[in-house]
Amino acid sequence: ETGVTQSPTHLIKTRGQQVTLRCSSQSGHNTVSWYQQALGQGPQFIFQYYREEENGRGNFPPRFSGLQFPNYSSELNVNALELDDSALYLCASSWKGRDLITVFGPGTRLTVL
Amino acid sequence: EDKVVQSPLSLVVHEGDTVTLNCSYEVTNFRSLLWYKQEKKAPTFLFMLTSSGIEKKSGRLSSILDKKELSSILNITATQTGDSAIYLCAVEGRSNYQLIWGAGTKLIIKP
Repeated sequence: ETGVTQSPTHLIKTRGQQVTLRCSSQSGHNTVSWYQQALGQGPQFIFQYYREEENGRGNFPPRFSGLQFPNYSSELNVNALELDDSALYLCASSWKGRDLITVFGPGTRLTVL
Repeated sequence: EDKVVQSPLSLVVHEGDTVTLNCSYEVTNFRSLLWYKQEKKAPTFLFMLTSSGIEKKSGRLSSILDKKELSSILNITATQTGDSAIYLCAVEGRSNYQLIWGAGTKLIIKP
């Protein structure tokens, strides 16, 4: 059973730039969620994808967007980066229709200068 | 607005002590409560508590759900330095597509 993988592990960008983060779900999982975790805080839900469509969204602006591919891998895109976007971005996979035990990837640490 | 509150925010104890971490929630149509341990990066799953499973135990860790008080506790007995981590509580509510997370309790175990 493979776990959830994310790339890259670290990333440094400047304000105004765009970034794409990638995630491969755990084998057998059909749902992927993205979270933003600022230092010292719990994860904040960005959105979830199921069957390649957005299935729910947290309180994040439209410049945060995503994709899910047929193999259940996913991307998180952030446009017009702001300093406050600096955080750990976590991808998590689960199986929709069962319990919500969510398996997390190692995260991508994004720093916006 | 749904919310999950954890306390204390941080805790420092000595090896061998017993600790109790708290999680309270106000979530519409509660379905389940989950505990995670976060060390360096990704949170790792510990327990899931539901109406049909209000008490869980694994080794030195145990957790109880109190649906009347809308809260849960996570107990760790005979703590070890490897227990040092941030412990996160999350609750699944009316929408089954997201978990609502608390801010976490940072636990430090001194040798």
